[in-house]
Amino acid sequence: DGGITQSPKYLFRKEGQNVTLSCEQNLNHDAMYWYRQDPGQGLRLIYYSQIVNDFQKGDIAEGYSVSREKKESFPLTVTSAQKNPTAFYLCASSIKENEKLFFGSGTQLSVL
Amino acid sequence: QKEVEQDPGPLSVPEGAIVSLNCTYSNSAFQYFMWYRQYSRKGPELLMYTYSSGNKEDGRFTAQVDKSSKYISLFIRDSQPSDSATYLCAITDTDKLIFGTGTRLQVFP
Repeated sequence: DGGITQSPKYLFRKEGQNVTLSCEQNLNHDAMYWYRQDPGQGLRLIYYSQIVNDFQKGDIAEGYSVSREKKESFPLTVTSAQKNPTAFYLCASSIKENEKLFFGSGTQLSVL
Repeated sequence: QKEVEQDPGPLSVPEGAIVSLNCTYSNSAFQYFMWYRQYSRKGPELLMYTYSSGNKEDGRFTAQVDKSSKYISLFIRDSQPSDSATYLCAITDTDKLIFGTGTRLQVFP
């Protein structure tokens, strides 16, 4: 089955700790995205990548980092600089930039 | 003014009702329109995709675009409790893609 796999489903972060959220897709899509979703708010773009080894900041990139070493993978690291990391994180991919997005099932990150 | 506006709801309707969900947008350059359905704590699922004014139908769902008014709608016929979810509109001109904040829909038996 083609799709986007996010892991883990739930993640807990201690103060001062960096954590990495995994996103893998087997849809052969070029573009990949990370969004943050807070209760009652829309999706906010953190980072996106149109091609391997290249990525751009979205609207709320501070405190986050990404890499795109393989077409299939786009991990997101939430660093200790992100002071309010509790949120639902969504990874998405599309054939081309800003075309139809297909989403993973999300990761809920909470602070201990 | 936000580029995409969507009433957050919640919208509560009885089973079998016709539901109308709406978004307005400000930039006439937007030309591609999508509706997503998101169940609680799940990823959004693409329901409808259209790029022209007029109606597009898929089963119980109809997407309507009025570019002159910068207004898009999603109609759900014969609504079911399983339609209870948050519905997000998304609009793009390929330079950027913007999501509405979502409308929460509850269909009660």
